[in-house]
Amino acid sequence: DGGITQSPKYLFRKEGQNVTLSCEQNLNHDAMYWYRQDPGQGLRLIYYSQIVNDFQKGDIAEGYSVSREKKESFPLTVTSAQKNPTAFYLCASSIAPTDPYEQYFGPGTRLTVT
Amino acid sequence: KNEVEQSPQNLTAQEGEFITINCSYSVGISALHWLQQHPGGGIVSLFMLSSGKKKHGRLIATINIQEKHSSLHITASHPRDSAVYICAARRGSEKLVFGKGTKLTVNP
Repeated sequence: DGGITQSPKYLFRKEGQNVTLSCEQNLNHDAMYWYRQDPGQGLRLIYYSQIVNDFQKGDIAEGYSVSREKKESFPLTVTSAQKNPTAFYLCASSIAPTDPYEQYFGPGTRLTVT
Repeated sequence: KNEVEQSPQNLTAQEGEFITINCSYSVGISALHWLQQHPGGGIVSLFMLSSGKKKHGRLIATINIQEKHSSLHITASHPRDSAVYICAARRGSEKLVFGKGTKLTVNP
């Protein structure tokens, strides 16, 4: 079955620690995205990548980093510089970034930092 | 004011009722997406439309480009339709701008 996997579903970390969220897709999509969802707010774009070895900042990139070494993988690192890291993180992908193709979403990772 | 506004924020209905969720946007768009988010958090794309109307099963999405407005309708609603429905607007090749979502609860 084609799709997007995110792991783990729940993640707990101590303040000051970096943590990496996994996102893998086997849809052969060029574009991948990371969103953050907070209660009462719409999804906000953290980073996106249109092609391997290239990525761009979204609206709220501060305190986050990404890499795109392989087409199918787009891991997100939440660094200690992110002031409010506790949130629900969603990864998505689409065939191409420059046309209005549908985005396919992963199941999400709920990160709690204490 | 957000670029994408949804109404209502919360909606409770009885099984079988006809549901309408509204989405207004303030900028020109190339496409409007409707998404469904279940309690577990996963998001499913329901529709992507740039004009007119689309139908899938009991779901119907319409868009009026001139009025910058889209609606999602659910006919013969069922408790399994309970979810958060999100609209998102795409401007040209730019990123999606998301509404805050409408939480729908359908009671048996």
